[in-house]
Amino acid sequence: DAGVIQSPRHEVTEMGQEVTLRCKPISGHDYLFWYRQTMMRGLELLIYFNNNVPIDDSGMPEDRFSAKMPNASFSTLKIQPSEPRDSAVYFCASRLQGGPYGYTFGSGTRLTVV
Amino acid sequence: GENVEQHPSTLSVQEGDSAVIKCTYSDSASNYFPWYKQELGKGPQLIIDIRSNVGEKKDQRIAVTLNKTAKHFSLHITETQPEDSAVYFCAASTGNQFYFGTGTSLTVIP
Repeated sequence: DAGVIQSPRHEVTEMGQEVTLRCKPISGHDYLFWYRQTMMRGLELLIYFNNNVPIDDSGMPEDRFSAKMPNASFSTLKIQPSEPRDSAVYFCASRLQGGPYGYTFGSGTRLTVV
Repeated sequence: GENVEQHPSTLSVQEGDSAVIKCTYSDSASNYFPWYKQELGKGPQLIIDIRSNVGEKKDQRIAVTLNKTAKHFSLHITETQPEDSAVYFCAASTGNQFYFGTGTSLTVIP
């Protein structure tokens, strides 16, 4: 398996623009997580899905953030409109319930909002 | 919810020495404790984990210990090498959601 795949790797956008981050989890994994990483706040859980259904979105900072998982192999995190304080590395991770291992993380998307 | 604290935030050791990173957790229901290594520009990678029914686990130069009574667990790296330089995160979990520590930046000096 290729692991968790995220795109793009880097994104630079202007304040006010819409940004869409994409994630393909490991095939067969039934949980998908979106995290944001900054120096100040470390790894923050934004939202997670089980079998494509959002379970907990309490970490989503505000209404500008939204996430979807239309099927088991694809998820998006959208920020509209983007702001400079959204600049961070966004990670997607997946896992299999009952599996022996923890999360498998993707390589992340480094977002810069100027 | 769970609160995980991790110390130290930075750690420098000479090559060949040992490194120890400590974490505490607050929720006695937590039963799974993974450790992740994050290299520059990459996502965190699972390096070792331990479940609450085990006190210690070892994998080559890496070991993890768990004290459920005191609610703390530690990562031990022996015979450190330059390639061990990275940021290490501990986490605690009661189910599907992981609560991460703030990370330890380990530098191994050749």
